[in-house]
Amino acid sequence: GNSVTQMEGPVTLSEEAFLTINCTYTATGYPSLFWYVQYPGEGLQLLLKATKADDKGSNKGFEATYRKETTSFHLEKGSVQVSDSAVYFCALGISGSARQLTFGSGTQLTVLP
Amino acid sequence: SQTIHQWPATLVQPVGSPLSLECTVEGTSNPNLYWYRQAAGRGLQLLFYSVGIGQISSEVPQNLSASRPQDRQFILSSKKLLLSDSGFYLCAWTDVGYGYTFGSGTRLTVV
Repeated sequence: GNSVTQMEGPVTLSEEAFLTINCTYTATGYPSLFWYVQYPGEGLQLLLKATKADDKGSNKGFEATYRKETTSFHLEKGSVQVSDSAVYFCALGISGSARQLTFGSGTQLTVLP
Repeated sequence: SQTIHQWPATLVQPVGSPLSLECTVEGTSNPNLYWYRQAAGRGLQLLFYSVGIGQISSEVPQNLSASRPQDRQFILSSKKLLLSDSGFYLCAWTDVGYGYTFGSGTRLTVV
């Protein structure tokens, strides 16, 4: 079956620190990969995505590269801000009529000023 | 533009009471619709999905049910809530590709 394993949190960083949140996956077929962000008390928002191997998704200073050889999609940001504090979810999707997403368990990020 | 509405935002219900959460989508037709639950400190669990009116697939056996009476309406229900039903419930939709859009969620506390 499909699964996503995400770096366990919580992660606490100082402002302007470098961020990496690890994500690896197992999937049958060729998945698309996603990072979602959930700010406190809100639903999830798509942060970035990649649909094939070696694609790099980027948004708001965050980046992640689809690595088929290591089955990974690690999220990185060079300099985090307090406003980046949120829960980050890695997810994969396999094409088909249901278009379901399989989510990782989420990683809580807290950025301190 | 497409929007998704989910209500209520918060709900406190006693054990054994019924539940009805509603989700509606605007600006699209024949979307795929989903109900997810997020338990405290845990990830997202897919509960139900629907690819069309009256078509419901259940991912996890439980005392919850879902219905899709109209193309853009998705309802999550329970006849008798359990303490373990507490959590954050999220509705989502997608039409083509993986443009998932989530509602703002309902925080349910069963007491």
